[in-house]
Amino acid sequence: GESVGLHLPTLSVQEGDNSIINCAYSNSASDYFIWYKQESGKGPQFIIDIRSNMDKRQGQRVTVLLNKTVKHLSLQIAATQPGDSAVYFCAETPSGGSYIPTFGRGTSLIVHP
Amino acid sequence: NAGVTQTPKFQVLKTGQSMTLQCAQDMNHEYMSWYRQDPGMGLRLIHYSVGAGITDQGEVPNGYNVSRSTTEDFPLRLLSAAPSQTSVYFCASSRQGDYGYTFGSGTRLTVV
Repeated sequence: GESVGLHLPTLSVQEGDNSIINCAYSNSASDYFIWYKQESGKGPQFIIDIRSNMDKRQGQRVTVLLNKTVKHLSLQIAATQPGDSAVYFCAETPSGGSYIPTFGRGTSLIVHP
Repeated sequence: NAGVTQTPKFQVLKTGQSMTLQCAQDMNHEYMSWYRQDPGMGLRLIHYSVGAGITDQGEVPNGYNVSRSTTEDFPLRLLSAAPSQTSVYFCASSRQGDYGYTFGSGTRLTVV
């Protein structure tokens, strides 16, 4: 989701629960969407991607859902583990051109053991 | 290990000083970018390059210069450091046609 001021939206879950992180994107011409995970003190790391001609894609323990009608993206993490604690960013990329993504502000996921 | 290497990891500058943040990748990626990350905010694009000899401005280019003389290297130059440039800087690269970027581990810069 979008953040206000300097505070990231935060999602707190218990270990073993399913997590859903949301993202509203801005450009209806965006063709490609990626979720990144950023652990403390590290650079963002690619998790999963989805093209605009799809509405769902699954990976290992993660699922991305795309709703183009309302320009909304979500990342679902099954059986959340303490190692999933991180900041999650969605990124959108317009079709063609230079493949330069625009990043959202991020959501902090905290997993309690 | 193959990847994106950024140096230094930490740097403190005085206002008005200049310096260069180094970025190198050994994956033969055509695309390289520099982002800055401030507390509570996402990654904002400073400059990017789609190949050697080609660079372009991103969202927040003022106060920064880049060059791309080789495929491997993409240094970011701060011309005259200002406290507003205190941030964490990330370099990223990708292969042409590949939307997913590989990021370096970042440089934490403080300007006093």
